[in-house]
Amino acid sequence: AQSVTQLDSHVSVSEGTPVLLRCNYSSSYSPSLFWYVQHPNKGLQLLLKYTSAATLVKGINGFEAEFKKSETSFHLTKPSAHMSDAAEYFCVVRGDGSGNTGKLIFGQGTTLQVKP
Amino acid sequence: EAGVAQSPRYKIIEKRQSVAFWCNPISGHATLYWYQQILGQGPKLLIQFQNNGVVDDSQLPKDRFSAERLKGVDSTLKIQPAKLEDSAVYLCASSLAFDRAGANVLTFGAGSRLTVL
Repeated sequence: AQSVTQLDSHVSVSEGTPVLLRCNYSSSYSPSLFWYVQHPNKGLQLLLKYTSAATLVKGINGFEAEFKKSETSFHLTKPSAHMSDAAEYFCVVRGDGSGNTGKLIFGQGTTLQVKP
Repeated sequence: EAGVAQSPRYKIIEKRQSVAFWCNPISGHATLYWYQQILGQGPKLLIQFQNNGVVDDSQLPKDRFSAERLKGVDSTLKIQPAKLEDSAVYLCASSLAFDRAGANVLTFGAGSRLTVL
């Protein structure tokens, strides 16, 4: 079965410093992976997606993620944090191995705090 | 384009009462999803429709939850009777399709927050 594990439940950075949110995945085949962001009282927004093309994926708002098969990781990074980046971030894998390729499996989430 | 609309945004009920949530997906989106997000957890798929047929309801507690998408557009999720552990945000999402690359990107609504007392 597909699954993702977000290694940190809470990350705190200062404004202007780099952001690293860690995600490991488990998959029996080449996965489709995503990062979603959820601001308070707002819907989930897609940041970026990996679907077996380039391993370095660029997303919105300066975020990017690198797919590393050897490490089964898909970490999210941003060179310089902005106050508006404070939110909940979810690492997501598509499909649960049962044949439903539309199903998204979410990690537990990482809360990003950005300090001034 | 208009996004995924959900209502009500907030609902407070007592246990054993019933509640219904409504979702209007993006026009033309054939696939509709209901997710449950309990506080501090990632969303979990409850049910997935393709047009008005069910693709996956393996994690829907069918003794108390029901959902329908009669005309392949709007959908309603009902809980009856509600339990304390049903307190959560219920997220609706839609996509053009679920089984074609490029057409299976989900757009989420803002969610309906349920509190069961």
